[in-house]
Amino acid sequence: DSGVTQTPKHLITATGQRVTLRCSPRSGDLSVYWYQQSLDQGLQFLIQYYNGEERAKGNILERFSAQQFPDLHSELNLSSLELGDSALYFCASSVTGSPGNTIYFGEGSWLTVV
Amino acid sequence: AQTVTQSQPEMSVQEAETVTLSCTYDTSESDYYLFWYKQPPSRQMILVIRQEAYKQQNATENRFSVNFQKAAKSFSLKISDSQLGDAAMYFCACSNTGNQFYFGTGTSLTVIP
Repeated sequence: DSGVTQTPKHLITATGQRVTLRCSPRSGDLSVYWYQQSLDQGLQFLIQYYNGEERAKGNILERFSAQQFPDLHSELNLSSLELGDSALYFCASSVTGSPGNTIYFGEGSWLTVV
Repeated sequence: AQTVTQSQPEMSVQEAETVTLSCTYDTSESDYYLFWYKQPPSRQMILVIRQEAYKQQNATENRFSVNFQKAAKSFSLKISDSQLGDAAMYFCACSNTGNQFYFGTGTSLTVIP
């Protein structure tokens, strides 16, 4: 158990809909990261937050948004969903966003868009 | 930008034998870190080993060790005395000064009893 908690574990929704994925980082971790893993693909970096502020953006679509709240939990919002958005979405956290910090992953949220 | 390349989509090893997984990376940053993560069928991402690029000494973690060749931008993972529980997808990753991690496409390791 990495200490990173993600909910829901599984989600099935229809095209065009909007979903919210939730992440609680490890206790004491200030930085949160979101990654997308499509079928048979590596992990794509989406976005990083540090202590409530956006730190870096990766390959995140405009239909997707995220935020980190004062209690440090984070939410990833996916809207106008398309079939291609079906993937495993990981949240990870690290103590800070400093170079070399190991990131610890949650178990992921499986999103299926039908 | 950083890229990480794993040229072996699949590898297999006999139980108790040794296997080496390859990884090359490209980065313009002078300060970076390298990692190997394991993803078993449960899909959980588990840290295997970590290497600071400024350190010449290769990292070791029990049966797992790396061969870090900085000039060649190569970072291979050696698994000794392979066990059935080592069967998984292995991802190589490089992190930059902002601590964003960039992952390769993975190598699927099969352990043959």
